Amino acid sequence: SQQGEEDPQALSIQEGENATMNCSYKTSINNLQWYRQNSGRGLVHLILIRSNEREKHSGRLRVTLDTSKKSSSLLITASRAADTASYFCATEDNYGQNFVFGPGTRLSVLP
Amino acid sequence: DVKVTQSSRYLVKRTGEKVFLECVQDMDHENMFWYRQDPGLGLRLIYFSYDVKMKEKGDIPEGYSVSREKKERFSLILESASTNQTSMYLCASRMGVGLGDTQYFGPGTRLTVL
Repeated sequence: SQQGEEDPQALSIQEGENATMNCSYKTSINNLQWYRQNSGRGLVHLILIRSNEREKHSGRLRVTLDTSKKSSSLLITASRAADTASYFCATEDNYGQNFVFGPGTRLSVLP
Repeated sequence: DVKVTQSSRYLVKRTGEKVFLECVQDMDHENMFWYRQDPGLGLRLIYFSYDVKMKEKGDIPEGYSVSREKKERFSLILESASTNQTSMYLCASRMGVGLGDTQYFGPGTRLTVL
């Protein structure tokens, strides 16, 4: 089955800096979604990008998708300590039958 | 506001015990999912259900069963708990099979099997 894999596994930055996380996957997708998980909690949906889109914005979040490279990136601008969390990408195929999460990137934003 | 609740945040059980994890959603969603989350492995799908009394195996169904008697409730059952089932269990629901529908997650149950 296809699998999203985030890179890096862990990222530590100072408040105010930008954070970039990458996701790679293996097979054709319909869409790719990014989720956030605060420590010990459930996941919260952040943003979705479809396979025919290249870039999407939501507040301080910017997501890009390169289907030729089978990769996506999540950029968080002007990071805050409250952005400290794990971030997961999830891919969905064209049949809606495979919704696969990667292992996540743990982001620490230091005040 | 959408809500998915799980019966326990923390649970400690002994090897061989039967364990029930309950999940309830109040959004009238068709689809419900059970995942387990382990460090370095991300979320892995155990079972999902697309309708009442319907269930499908996910990637790692061994050692688990599920029950969906009502639309809003999806239960995960560990018939005989083992130590390798110590994990974080996450329930999620989703409106339908429309591509791009968001999954809504519960807060998770951290299960420890001794």
